[in-house]
Amino acid sequence: GAVVSQHPSRVICKSGTSVKIECRSLDFQATTMFWYRQFPKQSLMLMATSNEGSKATYEQGVEKDKFLINHASLTLSTLTVTSAHPEDSSFYICSARVPQSYGYTFGSGTRLTVV
Amino acid sequence: AQRVTQPEKLLSVFKGAPVELKCNYSYSGSPELFWYVQYSRQRLQLLLRHISRESIKGFTADLNKGETSFHLKKPFAQEEDSAMYYCALSSSGSARQLTFGSGTQLTVLP
Repeated sequence: GAVVSQHPSRVICKSGTSVKIECRSLDFQATTMFWYRQFPKQSLMLMATSNEGSKATYEQGVEKDKFLINHASLTLSTLTVTSAHPEDSSFYICSARVPQSYGYTFGSGTRLTVV
Repeated sequence: AQRVTQPEKLLSVFKGAPVELKCNYSYSGSPELFWYVQYSRQRLQLLLRHISRESIKGFTADLNKGETSFHLKKPFAQEEDSAMYYCALSSSGSARQLTFGSGTQLTVLP
């Protein structure tokens, strides 16, 4: 079936540095991908919608300058957390809608820890 | 604005007992609803969607527009059903974003 590969699965970085998370659709083309954030024992909160070849659409309250999204090809979207702070520590998940179906497929998530 | 409500954070049932996970939604358009499941240490995966009216792993869910509900049911729970279940609604716009409920942690006891 349609698979989304997300890397890295875990990353630890120092405060002030930037971290890039990649999300690839392996066997289908994804013109739109979604980035979610999940806090412990809470639901997924949509951060932004990533559109191939155009600017991402951010949800209210999400800083676009802090969470940079690039969707340069039909199979790759990246989320860069810039100038990371400990409060950015979270679980980030990407998703894409599978063409010709009504389902969405999800990456395995990235556990970001900022120290 | 669309909203998905799952009133139960935790639900425990005994093996072989019926289980129902509640989901209510709020959406002005025609909803597209899903149930996703997340087993321990695994990624989120689609369980079923209302539009296909299918039964997966013994689970069914019926969209009730009058009650704006999409409850997930299984007549005989199994231990391997223990997982986190999320109800989700897809918007009808071009982006079709998913809005998730807060999730229900189901534990099936032996």
